[in-house]
This record gives sequence, structure tokens and C-alpha cells, in this order.
Amino acid sequence: EPEVTQTPSHQVTQMGQEVILRCVPISNHLYFYWYRQILGQKVEFLVSFYNNEISEKSEIFDDQFSVERPDGSNFTLKIRSTKLEDSAMYFCASSDRGGAEAFFGQGTRLTVV
Amino acid sequence: ELKVEQNPLFLSMQEGKNYTIYCNYSTTSDRLYWYRQDPGKSLESLFVLLSNGAVKQEGRLMASLDTKARLSTLHITAAVHDLSATYFCAVAFTSGTYKYIFGTGTRLKVLA
Repeated sequence: EPEVTQTPSHQVTQMGQEVILRCVPISNHLYFYWYRQILGQKVEFLVSFYNNEISEKSEIFDDQFSVERPDGSNFTLKIRSTKLEDSAMYFCASSDRGGAEAFFGQGTRLTVV
Repeated sequence: ELKVEQNPLFLSMQEGKNYTIYCNYSTTSDRLYWYRQDPGKSLESLFVLLSNGAVKQEGRLMASLDTKARLSTLHITAAVHDLSATYFCAVAFTSGTYKYIFGTGTRLKVLA
């Protein structure tokens, strides 16, 4: 069964460092998303991406964040200069159509120390 | 502001009992999804509700959608311990752009 895969599963980084979280969406999907979940809290929307550009972003997705689809398969989230409060689980998701069922990856746990 | 609220936030129930989780949202949408999350794990899709009056059932769980009331329910029948998890509803907003806004989550604990 097709699935969304994310790497790494866990990343520890020092405050101020740049991190890149990687995702491989389901191959025939066209819409891509990043969400984050601080431990024990709700799942928060960060950004949606379609047709090689950002469709919408939340207020969390400030200038420190960027997304890219560098090739036909990967979808990345970059945090330029990490802060302690960026520590969270980051989920990538994809859907074949806008608003259709979104399938989530297993997540990357980011720990900023 | 788009809001999706669930209640209760925490639910502790005995095995064999029934209960309903509610999901209210603030803006028009006719697409709502229910997900299950086990501790430290990803979001597992449970139900896809795509129209007013939609009802889906899987095992001891049944979900419904009332788009006029902007309300979805997840009903648990004769709960078993294996249902212990956090349940999220997510509303798809599709006016021009696409995103899913998640509810606050309901942490369910089924006691043996």
C-alpha cells in the first residue's frame, strides 16, 4: 500500500542550527502539507503546497521556514535557525486532490537543545 | 478565524460502555475526517465524511456529519481497551486553497 515516508524519524539539533526534514509523498498525489504537533497538543497546520508553490501558510510558518520540492519525489521543510520552541513532531501529508483524504507520514521528532 | 473544537478533551470510560465525541467547526465545509493517534505515532485515517448526512461505521466506531449544524460525531459502542488512543477530527477548507484544520483532540482511555 502506498505511504508517505519521512526521514529522519528523530533529529536532535542545537539551537540556531538549520534543519531539513524530508518527505516522500505518495507518488500520484499533487497536494502536500506540513503539520507540527508539540508534545501532547493539537496538530497544527503549517503550510500547503501545490503546483510547485505554497498555497497557504499559517502564522507559525514565518520567515524561518521554507518548503521545497527539489525533484519529482521529495518534499522538504527547512527551518533556518531553530529555536527551542520548534521542538515538536513534524508530519508531512499528501492528497491526490485538494480537500481529499490526506495521508500522513510517520513523523519526524525534532528536538532542539 | 477557523476553529475546530472537540469535546470532551479527555474521556475515561469502562469497557462495554457507549459514548460520543463531538466535533464542532466554525466555517462551511462538507469534508470532515476522523483520525486516530496512538502515543508517539502518526495519524491513522478512520473515516472520510464527504457530504451532509454521511454516516460511516467500522467495528465499534460510527461517525456522522451534519454540515448544516457544522457538527460531526464519533460514537463508540461497547468500548474495548484497544480503542484507547487520541481521536482527532479534521475539517477540510477548500475555498481557493486547501488545508485541514484539526480539532483539539479527545484522549480516550478505556478501563478494563
